[in-house]
Amino acid sequence: QSALTQPASVSGSPGQSITISCTGTSSDVGGYNYVSWYQQHPGKAPKLMIYDVSKRPSGVSNRFSGSKSGNTASLTISGLQAEDEADYYCCSYAGSSTYVFGTGTKVTVL
Amino acid sequence: QVQLQESGPGLVKPSETLSLTCAVSGYSISSGYYWGWIRQPPGKGLEWIGSIYHSGSTYYNPSLKSRVTISVDTSKNQFSLKLSSVTAADTAVYYCASLDSDWFDPWGQGTLVTVSS
Repeated sequence: QSALTQPASVSGSPGQSITISCTGTSSDVGGYNYVSWYQQHPGKAPKLMIYDVSKRPSGVSNRFSGSKSGNTASLTISGLQAEDEADYYCCSYAGSSTYVFGTGTKVTVL
Repeated sequence: QVQLQESGPGLVKPSETLSLTCAVSGYSISSGYYWGWIRQPPGKGLEWIGSIYHSGSTYYNPSLKSRVTISVDTSKNQFSLKLSSVTAADTAVYYCASLDSDWFDPWGQGTLVTVSS
C-alpha cells in the first residue's frame, strides 16, 4: 500500500485556477469512486473539502471541485484566494476497508 | 454535531507502547459509523493507521498491522489506539476521526506524541 502521488507544490495568483493531481493505481484511485480531499492549514486538523470524487460537503465553497480519470484524481480550485493557501491531501479507498493518503501538496497564493 | 478529542501521554519511551483515547461527543458510538486513527509525522504527510466499527470489527494499515490495536468502549463513548514497540519514527501528531462511509469527517484537533528516552 504505497502513498498516492501528488505534486509537492502548486502555486497561482489570486483569481486564477489551479489543479492538484493525485495518482494511484487500479487498486485504489482507479478501482473505486471513493476519493476524498482534505485542506490543512498550519497547526490545524485536516478539513474535508471533497468526498466521493466530486461531492462537496455543506459549507465548502463551490470554488472547489473534484474529478477523476483512470488512476488519477484531481482537485481544482477556481478563483484562488489568499485563504486557500494550505496543504492539500487526497485519500482513496484501497479495498478491504483500508485507505491510503496522498503525499500532500502545498498550495501557494502568489 | 459530532466532536472528537484525543488524549494520552505526549511522551513515550522507545520500545514501549503508545496509548491514546478518542472521546466522542454529540453522537453515540453504539449507533453505528466507523472510527479511525490517522497520524502525521512532523513536516510530513498523513498516514491512515486503522479503523474500527462500533461492533468492534477492525481494519489496519498493513505496514503497521503487527503493532496496532484499536478498540472501542461504547459505555464510555470512546475508542482507543495502542501502538507497540515504538521508535522515533512513530513520533507524530495523532488524529482520530469519524469515518463516514468512505471519508474522514470530522477530525479531532490532534495530539503530538514524541518517542524519546
